[in-house]
Amino acid sequence: NAGVMQNPRHLVRRRGQEARLRCSPMKGHSHVYWYRQLPEEGLKFMVYLQKENIIDESGMPKERFSAEFPKEGPSILRIQQVVRGDSAAYFCASSPGPVLNTEAFFGQGTRLTVV
Amino acid sequence: RKEVEQDPGPFNVPEGATVAFNCTYSNSASQSFFWYRQDCRKEPKLLMSVYSSGNEDGRFTAQLNRASQYISLLIRDSKLSDSATYLCSGAYTGNQFYFGTGTSLTVIP
Repeated sequence: NAGVMQNPRHLVRRRGQEARLRCSPMKGHSHVYWYRQLPEEGLKFMVYLQKENIIDESGMPKERFSAEFPKEGPSILRIQQVVRGDSAAYFCASSPGPVLNTEAFFGQGTRLTVV
Repeated sequence: RKEVEQDPGPFNVPEGATVAFNCTYSNSASQSFFWYRQDCRKEPKLLMSVYSSGNEDGRFTAQLNRASQYISLLIRDSKLSDSATYLCSGAYTGNQFYFGTGTSLTVIP
């Protein structure tokens, strides 16, 4: 059973371009969480999704950021018109059910660098 | 106010020492708690869940104190390989899954 897979591992974008980060949850997991981590800082919650639904997006910036988790395929975190401040590590985690009742596991992250 | 507060450390301890981390949480509705470890530039890895009755896994013991709203992690007989950042996390109804900023541990030979 493969773990949570994120790609790409490293992504370089110029200011103003779009960044697409992908997260394939573990087999049997239908809950996905996205986090952003700046150097020397903690994990900042961004969004929680179940298949085809956004459950909680309270941590997402209002503009330029969006997330989806379609019925088929990976979860996508999309950042439009990237700025230097978007440079960070983006981690996703998945769980088979609500994390109240189960445990969540992380992917290796995507390190976004905006130049 | 942060959901979870952790002493960032750093904690520098000799091999073989016992070290304890505490983590306080602000939302009394929090129901599930976990400890993760994160090595430099790596993903967080689940260390253990924290149960109300407390739980132990080898050299690691986790405790939950609901009355005082804190969780703790005790590491006995520290190894060099225990050097990492330890993140406490919690979840409550609505399922937002939040993290502390982490406590840095360095075990010294």
